[in-house]
Amino acid sequence: DGGITQSPKYLFRKEGQNVTLSCEQNLNHDAMYWYRQDPGQGLRLIYYSQIVNDFQKGDIAEGYSVSREKKESFPLTVTSAQKNPTAFYLCASSIGGQNTEAFFGQGTRLTVV
Amino acid sequence: GENVEQHPSTLSVQEGDSAVIKCTYSDSASNYFPWYKQELGKRPQLIIDIRSNVGEKKDQRIAVTLNKTAKHFSLHITETQPEDSAVYFCAAGGGTGKLIFGQGTTLQVKP
Repeated sequence: DGGITQSPKYLFRKEGQNVTLSCEQNLNHDAMYWYRQDPGQGLRLIYYSQIVNDFQKGDIAEGYSVSREKKESFPLTVTSAQKNPTAFYLCASSIGGQNTEAFFGQGTRLTVV
Repeated sequence: GENVEQHPSTLSVQEGDSAVIKCTYSDSASNYFPWYKQELGKRPQLIIDIRSNVGEKKDQRIAVTLNKTAKHFSLHITETQPEDSAVYFCAAGGGTGKLIFGQGTTLQVKP
């Protein structure tokens, strides 16, 4: 469904632990994105990658890290440096370039206790 | 940095009425303006988009207008139906490859 898969759907972690969220796409898209969704704040860009082995910080990159070793995969690590990690995380991909539709995964809800 | 402001944050209309959501953007290099609909518990999905060389685009009951000079664009939904109830997001994209979203509008269509 949609060709972009996030796992798991729900994730619980203890405070102080790093956690990695998975995002895989089989759409042959060059560009991939990570967004954080909080109530009333829309979708805020964490990191984005326009091509394999390259990525850029978004507006709220502090406390997060990513890698793009393969075209189809763009995992996000939420580190212990992220002060308020509990949120809904959405991954997206697009063909690339300037004017292309982004397709979203179903999201991962991370709860840090 | 780039910013997209979206208003209103909530909108309630009667079934059959029109709904209008407005967005402004800060980056003059932006040239792609999509609108996404997110139903409860689901992923955002594209409903319509417009590029900077076009001033207006329509798809059945949905239309988007763009004013590049003023750096704002709007979503118009006519003859609203209960199934239009959802959260709507505008976004702006440009040469940097970034796609920046607005804060979202929760639309409620009352039967």
